[in-house]
Amino acid sequence: NAGVTQTPKFQVLKTGQSMTLQCAQDMNHEYMSWYRQDPGMGLRLIHYSVGAGITDQGEVPNGYNVSRSTTEDFPLRLLSAAPSQTSVYFCASSWTPDRAAETQYFGPGTRLLVL
Amino acid sequence: GESVGLHLPTLSVQEGDNSIINCAYSNSASDYFIWYKQESGKGPQFIIDIRSNMDKRQGQRVTVLLNKTVKHLSLQIAATQPGDSAVYFCAEMHSAYKYIFGTGTRLKVLA
Repeated sequence: NAGVTQTPKFQVLKTGQSMTLQCAQDMNHEYMSWYRQDPGMGLRLIHYSVGAGITDQGEVPNGYNVSRSTTEDFPLRLLSAAPSQTSVYFCASSWTPDRAAETQYFGPGTRLLVL
Repeated sequence: GESVGLHLPTLSVQEGDNSIINCAYSNSASDYFIWYKQESGKGPQFIIDIRSNMDKRQGQRVTVLLNKTVKHLSLQIAATQPGDSAVYFCAEMHSAYKYIFGTGTRLKVLA
């Protein structure tokens, strides 16, 4: 049982490049989400999914796309990277997002630097 | 370490002493609160939670206190150990999928 895995751990991009941050979980969780963490700010929700084929926007969705073709995987795509997207990105999964945080697991994070 | 830590307030505590970390939350309608621990280079880890119909909840060496009157949350860690060194932050939830996370406090345990 690997929990929540994220790849890559670290990535440097040039402005305008695209890339996909990978997230996978092996706990059969229905709910998955992506957050970004910036200095001086709390985690902010980018996108989330309540099950395969269902996604929705969070607090800061602009510049990011997601899809959920399987229960296990929830990739985050940056279509045209901007320096403002320099951040640490965390993926999380749980059975349910509703008032059951002890069952929410975070991945180790991907540190992204956009030049 | 994580660049997110550069702007955080720091609490330094002697090993063996008790630690108290505070958090002010924003929404009086929030009915669920969580404390997370984040070690350098890792994702947040759940510590303890409390619902708004409670004032206090205890776990193993940790206690969360909720004061709804002043919208204040605190985390108490008993007999602080070196392994407790990390960033701690609170989160509030007032509707499904809507967590609001605090910026965090860095706890340093002094030997």
